[in-house]
Amino acid sequence: DAGVIQSPRHEVTEMGQEVTLRCKPISGHNSLFWYRQTMMRGLELLIYFNNNVPIDDSGMPEDRFSAKMPNASFSTLKIQPSEPRDSAVYFCASTWGTEAFFGQGTRLTVV
Amino acid sequence: DQQVKQNSPSLSVQEGRISILNCDYTNSMFDYFLWYKKYPAEGPTFLISISSIKDKNEDGRFTVFLNKSAKHLSLHIVPSQPGDSAVYFCAARAGGGADGLTFGKGTHLIIQP
Repeated sequence: DAGVIQSPRHEVTEMGQEVTLRCKPISGHNSLFWYRQTMMRGLELLIYFNNNVPIDDSGMPEDRFSAKMPNASFSTLKIQPSEPRDSAVYFCASTWGTEAFFGQGTRLTVV
Repeated sequence: DQQVKQNSPSLSVQEGRISILNCDYTNSMFDYFLWYKKYPAEGPTFLISISSIKDKNEDGRFTVFLNKSAKHLSLHIVPSQPGDSAVYFCAARAGGGADGLTFGKGTHLIIQP
């Protein structure tokens, strides 16, 4: 298996633009998580899905953030409109059992 | 409010010596703990874990110790090697299974030759 695949690897966008981050989890994994990494806050859980259903989105910072998982093999994290303070590395992880497997992350820069 | 705390942002250890990374937690509902290792430009990768019913788990050069009464765990790496230089994240989970992991902010381990 290729592991968790995230795209794009890097994204530079202007403030106010919509940004969509994509994730393909490992086949057969039934839970998917979106994390954000910043220097100040470390790795923060934004939202997680179990069997494609959003379970806990309490970590989503604002209404500008939304996430979907239309099927077991794909999820998106959307920021609209984006702001400079959204600049961070966004990780997707999937799990079956207790261990989470991470993608390589998307480095988002909002200028 | 940080439920998982790694109070040392960085740690420098000489090659061949023991590296000890510490982690404290506040949530008594956590029952499973993991350590992840992260290299630059890569996602975190699983290293070792421990269930709350144990106080020690060993895997090669890596040993994790859990002190439930103190809500403290530590990762020992011995002997330390240059390839161990990375950021190490402590993570915890409550209730086993689908809930997301709560991470500490990480400790940057630097192994000096």
